[in-house]
Amino acid sequence: RKEVEQDPGPFNVPEGATVAFNCTYSNSASQSFFWYRQDCRKEPKLLMSVYSSGNEDGRFTAQLNRASQYISLLIRDSKLSDSATYLCVVNFGGFKTIFGAGTRLFVKA
Amino acid sequence: EAQVTQNPRYLITVTGKKLTVTCSQNMNHEYMSWYRQDPGLGLRQIYYSMNVEVTDKGDVPEGYKVSRKEKRNFPLILESPSPNQTSLYFCASSSRLFQREREGQGSYEQYFGPGTRLTVT
Repeated sequence: RKEVEQDPGPFNVPEGATVAFNCTYSNSASQSFFWYRQDCRKEPKLLMSVYSSGNEDGRFTAQLNRASQYISLLIRDSKLSDSATYLCVVNFGGFKTIFGAGTRLFVKA
Repeated sequence: EAQVTQNPRYLITVTGKKLTVTCSQNMNHEYMSWYRQDPGLGLRQIYYSMNVEVTDKGDVPEGYKVSRKEKRNFPLILESPSPNQTSLYFCASSSRLFQREREGQGSYEQYFGPGTRLTVT
């Protein structure tokens, strides 16, 4: 079993749609959680951190459920520019980091 | 401008010919790391460094070496490259931010370099 697993993609949605990505992690000692965004052939960039209390940034909402070892990302009112691969990232303290394989999102006009 | 730089950006080489991919950051970050990205597998951590002269293995260290003699530089060395090391490589750095006691976690945003596409024939 992979340490960090994400929904298989790709997700194809129309502009304005709401889309949700899920991610599960297997190590209960995990400490920090993030969503990164990666455009084609580019470097990953931090989208947002994920906390137990939830985290919202404009159209993006991230949730963490430690009991279920589950992380989610919700994108409301999707834009064409949201098309990218979304990476779930788990940090085990210090600097050991595990990335999920990513979920591709295509937003269509 | 705060950035992580990698060189070269593209490299085609032959099996067994030693090579070094350089990584440099100008943000005075303590932590640096190397990843490789392969289709369907996502990013996998090769090595990381928590400070000068402190390095540790990630998930896929076989066939790679690193060194951290200066805070800003973290080169990745392939002593004898093989075709299975053909991949897209990313260097990253981050600073340790304050620990959020209530959440019990720190925030370790990683800043990535532009990537190095390596082909070993």
